Order: sequence, then C-alpha cells, then structure tokens
Amino acid sequence: DTAVSQTPKYLVTQMGNDKSIKCEQNLGHDTMYWYKQDSKKFLKIMFSYNNKELIINETVPNRFSPKSPDKAHLNLHINSLELGDSAVYFCASSQDGTSGPYNEQFFGPGTRLTVL
Amino acid sequence: SQQGEEDPQALSIQEGENATMNCSYKTSINNLQWYRQNSGRGLVHLILIRSNEREKHSGRLRVTLDTSKKSSSLLITASRAADTASYFCATARNQAGTALIFGKGTTLSVSS
Repeated sequence: DTAVSQTPKYLVTQMGNDKSIKCEQNLGHDTMYWYKQDSKKFLKIMFSYNNKELIINETVPNRFSPKSPDKAHLNLHINSLELGDSAVYFCASSQDGTSGPYNEQFFGPGTRLTVL
Repeated sequence: SQQGEEDPQALSIQEGENATMNCSYKTSINNLQWYRQNSGRGLVHLILIRSNEREKHSGRLRVTLDTSKKSSSLLITASRAADTASYFCATARNQAGTALIFGKGTTLSVSS
C-alpha cells in the first residue's frame, strides 16, 4: 500500500488556469506538508497542517491555497497559474505535532507541474 | 537563513568505494536528517541524528554530527550502483511552527 499518494503525477496546463493537486496519507500521521522543488532541485516548504490546522505558511503567493478536509488529506489549489509555478510539488507527512519537525517525513512521489 | 549546504555538489565513484557527503548549517538545531532522492521520485528518509548525538549508523550508512562546527557528514560504505541518487540534509530548529530546511543536495553517481 502506498503510504503517501499524490494525484496527478503530471500536470500540464496553460497560464492563467486554476488547478488542484491531491494528497492522501494512510500512515495515521497528524502533520502533512507541501514542498516545492525547483529545476535546481532546491526543496522549500510551502505549508504544513497539523490535524487540519494550518501550522506553517511560508511566503507563498496567495494564489496557492491548501485545504485539509481531514487529517489524512491535504490538497493544494493554485489559481491563475504562472510560468514560475512550474516545478515538482511534493506532499509529505510525519508523526510530528505542532512543536516542530522532530521526526522523519514520508514523501509522496511528486507532481510535476508544467505551465505553458 | 538556516539553509544547509551540501558538499560536494556532485560526486562520481566506482562500485565498492566509499562516498562521503558533508552538510553545513547556520543556526542551532534540534535534529539533522538525511534523505535520498532517486531521479524522478520522492524523497526517502535515511537517518535522523539529534543534536545530543555525535554518530549514528544504519546498515552501510554512517552519519556524524558536530554541533560546534555546525556540520554533519554522511558516509556510504561499499557503494553500489543502486546508491546513485541525490542526497539531501535537512535541519530542524528547536522551535514550534518551524519546518525542515533542506540543503541543495549532493548528486552521487556510482558506476559499475
């Protein structure tokens, strides 16, 4: 069974469109994350949620809106896509609480977003 | 920024040789973690070392942590072609509401 899954794996879209990426974890973890990995492989945190509550919201444009319907799911919606949004987006989860990232994180396979 | 910096950026070795990667960071930490990323895949956790630990082993992996120098090293012994991947260190501050900060990674190529 896949521990952290993301859909879709590939997403190609035009500038200005709105798209969503879904993430689900079956590990029973309380905390989930979204990361962005750019073309140089630099990985940066975007958001984290603990038990459906937003914990971390880095300096990400407000075109990006995470939504956590329950603690096993954390979806990422992106409005008005721009060329610079092209990247690989990773979802992750961990058993961490709100005190900090003190345990290992489990990553999904990634969603490669290409904005044309 | 607390961003970790891995060194070297790229490393090419032969099967059977040892590979050593280094990571430096800037602020005090709760723990330091190493992850592997195979091409086109997600990251896989390798090992976590806490700030009060100096060395940890897991199979062919050996990690050291020197908090006075704010540095860590990852040693892979008797490397295999399957070890070919990018390796990232990530640091965690001792503060609520903070996230893992990843370095830029070392790309390791192991040829047979």
